Amino acid sequence: DAGVTQSPTHLIKTRGQQVTLRCSPKSGHDTVSWYQQALGQGPQFIFQYYEEEERQRGNFPDRFSGHQFPNYSSELNVNALLLGDSALYLCASSLDAGGSYEQYFGPGTRLTVT
Amino acid sequence: LAKTTQPISMDSYEGQEVNITCSHNNIATNDYITWYQQFPSQGPRFIIQGYKTKVTNEVASLFIPADRKSSTLSLPRVSLSDTAVYYCLVGDMRKTGANNLFFGTGTRLTVIP
Repeated sequence: DAGVTQSPTHLIKTRGQQVTLRCSPKSGHDTVSWYQQALGQGPQFIFQYYEEEERQRGNFPDRFSGHQFPNYSSELNVNALLLGDSALYLCASSLDAGGSYEQYFGPGTRLTVT
Repeated sequence: LAKTTQPISMDSYEGQEVNITCSHNNIATNDYITWYQQFPSQGPRFIIQGYKTKVTNEVASLFIPADRKSSTLSLPRVSLSDTAVYYCLVGDMRKTGANNLFFGTGTRLTVIP
């Protein structure tokens, strides 16, 4: 049973460019959340997708957008990249049931903006 | 929002039991308490989750007092491989609203030989 997978593993972009990160959830999971983790900090919630719609959103600007596909996989898009967007981007999947808080995280995509 | 407070860091010798306490004074009735472990350059890994009293699995125990305003993660007989950052979360996955899912800065546990 494959866990959460993310691609690419590493990415280097220039300021002002756009980037798309991809996530495949754990088999059987229907909810995908995205987090940004700066060095030395805990993960910060960006948004969560369920049934192909954004259900929750953290305190991130509109430059951060996402999408969930019918197979539950998801993309995170960041436009007009800033140096401060350099971070580890984590995808987590879960099953929308009973308020359980168990999420399975992928290994992350390390984004460097130069 | 039930934010949490944890010690920034802890040191322990191999083989000892480690207890990490998390304060969450504003926990809501429907909130669960969940602990994650994170190694460098990896995603967090679910350790344990509870709602009240005590929960135990093959990795850890979670103690939750009756008022649920705090919780304690207990790791029995730690080894060097338990060196990691430990995060305490409280919340209900299904609640809407921004910043419901809050990791904080976690507790950096260092296990010493």
